[in-house]
Amino acid sequence: GENVEQHPSTLSVQEGDSAVIKCTYSDSASNYFPWYKQELGKGPQLIIDIRSNVGEKKDQRIAVTLNKTAKHFSLHITETQPEDSAVYFCAALRSYNQGGKLIFGQGTELSVKP
Amino acid sequence: GAGVSQSPRYKVAKRGQDVALRCDPISGHVSLFWYQQALGQGPEFLTYFQNEAQLDKSGLPSDRFFAERPEGSVSTLKIQRTQKEDSAVYLCASSTRLAGGTYNEQFFGPGTRLTVL
Repeated sequence: GENVEQHPSTLSVQEGDSAVIKCTYSDSASNYFPWYKQELGKGPQLIIDIRSNVGEKKDQRIAVTLNKTAKHFSLHITETQPEDSAVYFCAALRSYNQGGKLIFGQGTELSVKP
Repeated sequence: GAGVSQSPRYKVAKRGQDVALRCDPISGHVSLFWYQQALGQGPEFLTYFQNEAQLDKSGLPSDRFFAERPEGSVSTLKIQRTQKEDSAVYLCASSTRLAGGTYNEQFFGPGTRLTVL
């Protein structure tokens, strides 16, 4: 089955710096890769996603890149702010049986220091 | 608009008790998912519904776990004879279905934190 590895597990940056989180996946049939932000006591919130027919996607300070050949994808946050502090999860989905399940990475705890 | 809601938000059960966790998906969302999130870990898939049909229950850890969505809207996850290892946050997510059979993003509820004593 699918396996998603995420690194690093913790990341501390100064406000204004960039943060990069990397994930690799094992199932070449996976075709959808979302990133979620989870704050304490809340459910995961989708912040950006990318489909397998696209190599890069950007939304203001957040960007995601996908390398299908190497089976890895990355989240880039520029000009980090203290409110970006949270746990970030990558995930991979393979559509099947009229549906599909998300396989999540282990999470990265991002701390942005003012 | 209203997002995915879950109730109760917190549940404490004594070992051996049965519990029922409720999920109200976003109105009109065809697909509904249950995930289990242990402390400090990513969510893990439990089961998936398309309307009222349970198409995948491969993630349910044992036959003590049962999920239903009888009218294709609200879903209930039931855990019988709870054990300490069942302590976790149970997350529900819903999504629409895109044309061509592919699926859109999954929107998560706040979760139910279950503690088994």
